[in-house]
Amino acid sequence: GESVGLHLPTLSVQEGDNSIINCAYSNSASDYFIWYKQESGKGPQFIIDIRSNMDKRQGQRVTVLLNKTVKHLSLQIAATQPGDSAVYFCAENMNTGFQKLVFGTGTRLLVSP
Amino acid sequence: EAQVTQNPRYLITVTGKKLTVTCSQNMNHEYMSWYRQDPGLGLRQIYYSMNVEVTDKGDVPEGYKVSRKEKRNFPLILESPSPNQTSLYFCASSLIQTTEAFFGQGTRLTVV
Repeated sequence: GESVGLHLPTLSVQEGDNSIINCAYSNSASDYFIWYKQESGKGPQFIIDIRSNMDKRQGQRVTVLLNKTVKHLSLQIAATQPGDSAVYFCAENMNTGFQKLVFGTGTRLLVSP
Repeated sequence: EAQVTQNPRYLITVTGKKLTVTCSQNMNHEYMSWYRQDPGLGLRQIYYSMNVEVTDKGDVPEGYKVSRKEKRNFPLILESPSPNQTSLYFCASSLIQTTEAFFGQGTRLTVV
């Protein structure tokens, strides 16, 4: 598989547990946030997004929470499955006069059966 | 099927030999971009294009060129590759800049 995750923080959970992956973003003017999932050997895949006028958004088994006060974003995965094992990235759209999407370095999620 | 297609998936080349990595999308997206992904550094934007004939530098443009002659294609050109350009490259497209980006499968480039 690809070696992009050599130095990533890792979250290890058991199958069926709920997982929470955290992300601190840098710019208080950022107005759009995305979570991506990257499996070994594949490109990042969109999971869920949220705009800055919301603080929570739910998808299928996933919830994104946005705390603008402390510039914190989290991804909650309910009933984690082995297929959820991947690297998860947050990205922020830095709306500072021009639009720019900036990615975090990622968190590796390992799900044990 | 909506997709972003990159070619080749894997490439080993020698220093100084010009190469092109192709990227094509079938979603009629205006915005396309190239990223490189390196361990511990995440995804860093190389170049982006807001539309046909409109391109601009990202965070790490040195040693790269791009062109956008058609809406669907956005090739990445390395005129004189060097070993520090060994990396995993991704092309992405989105309807506009601030919407979900769709990524290609990646190109693993090794420059020796």
